[in-house]
Amino acid sequence: KAGVTQTPRYLIKTRGQQVTLSCSPISGHRSVSWYQQTPGQGLQFLFEYFSETQRNKGNFPGRFSGRQFSNSRSEMNVSTLELGDSALYLCASSEAGGAYEQYFGPGTRLTVT
Amino acid sequence: AQSVTQLDSQVPVFEEAPVELRCNYSSSVSVYLFWYVQYPNQGLQLLLKYLSGSTLVKGINGFEAEFNKSQTSFHLRKPSVHISDTAEYFCAAPRRGSYIPTFGRGTSLIVHP
Repeated sequence: KAGVTQTPRYLIKTRGQQVTLSCSPISGHRSVSWYQQTPGQGLQFLFEYFSETQRNKGNFPGRFSGRQFSNSRSEMNVSTLELGDSALYLCASSEAGGAYEQYFGPGTRLTVT
Repeated sequence: AQSVTQLDSQVPVFEEAPVELRCNYSSSVSVYLFWYVQYPNQGLQLLLKYLSGSTLVKGINGFEAEFNKSQTSFHLRKPSVHISDTAEYFCAAPRRGSYIPTFGRGTSLIVHP
């Protein structure tokens, strides 16, 4: 099976712009989670989607949003970018969430200037 | 207190030496414990997991971990490391009442020739 893929791998944006990141989970996986990874805060949970519904949400402002399509592919959007949004954004998929392990994609490195 | 605590931010070791990366968890997390590895410019990869049963868990790449309930620990070990083991290692567990994993801050394993 193909692994989790994320596009694009690298992005450079300017403050105030918005960005959309894409994630394709492993075939058959219905749960997709998003994480933000920074040197200062480590790995922080953004949100989880399951069968096109947001099932869990972390403590991030409303500028961070996401969605999931019927084929389980997911996108996350960040509006009005701030310098502090520079990070590695990781997507992870699992069969059904829960205690099952997550399979991570390579991430999208976002740099906001 | 942190839910999952990795006691060492960096562990330098010589090639072929044994290594132990320490992880302690608090009562605020469920006892479903995971170790992930992150190589440079990549996402996280599951090394091993403890869900129940035997307290000694074997994973990929020669790593193993021992669940110790009395010590609330889940330390990762390898008897002989290689240069290729140089990476960031994360311990994770879900908060009680949730299945979303909380990650430790990570331990950078640096293997010297």
